[in-house]
Amino acid sequence: AQKITQTQPGMFVQEKEAVTLDCTYDTSDPSYGLFWYKQPSSGEMIFLIYQGSYDQQNATEGRYSLNFQKARKSANLVISASQLGDSAMYFCAMRPYSGAGSYQLTFGKGTKLSVIP
Amino acid sequence: DSGVTQTPKHLITATGQRVTLRCSPRSGDLSVYWYQQSLDQGLQFLIQYYNGEERAKGNILERFSAQQFPDLHSELNLSSLELGDSALYFCASSVGTGERYNEQFFGPGTRLTVL
Repeated sequence: AQKITQTQPGMFVQEKEAVTLDCTYDTSDPSYGLFWYKQPSSGEMIFLIYQGSYDQQNATEGRYSLNFQKARKSANLVISASQLGDSAMYFCAMRPYSGAGSYQLTFGKGTKLSVIP
Repeated sequence: DSGVTQTPKHLITATGQRVTLRCSPRSGDLSVYWYQQSLDQGLQFLIQYYNGEERAKGNILERFSAQQFPDLHSELNLSSLELGDSALYFCASSVGTGERYNEQFFGPGTRLTVL
């Protein structure tokens, strides 16, 4: 079974500053994908970034980057130059690429990010 | 806009009733996933269909059922509704199934309120 842990229920960041949202995971599968989603107050789930377990480089997508440390089983999301529109819930998720759980995403509890002007 | 559509956006009903949630995947996507987001359970996978066939089941109650039709749209049926079924129900779609990178695109969700 897979487990995602997000230890920060809420975070505050000053506008234009960088912020790191923590995510650790637990899986016995050798190959897996890690995902971050953003959920604004309107409710939709917006895909932000993906990291494959065998990817050599950390993923980046615009202002989002993923600090992937495989040995520590962590996949922290870094948001640079925070904007007011970044205020939202952020979910870390994973999916193994083999076995019975390979079809669905397992999500963490989420971190609520508030950007302060 | 992810390209995944869900109807209705909001649904208010009473305990004991039955409702149907509808999802249309992105054009070309063969897999449809259903997730439930509630305050106490968080985001949980319910069930997945691929090209009309059930592929995986998660924490889906026996009162719930789903199907995927030949045109690939999917319906989630919730019956004998209880207060605890109040949640945001998401549909997601992807091109394939479990192999390798396969991004799931989420619809806007259906917010179900059981009174």
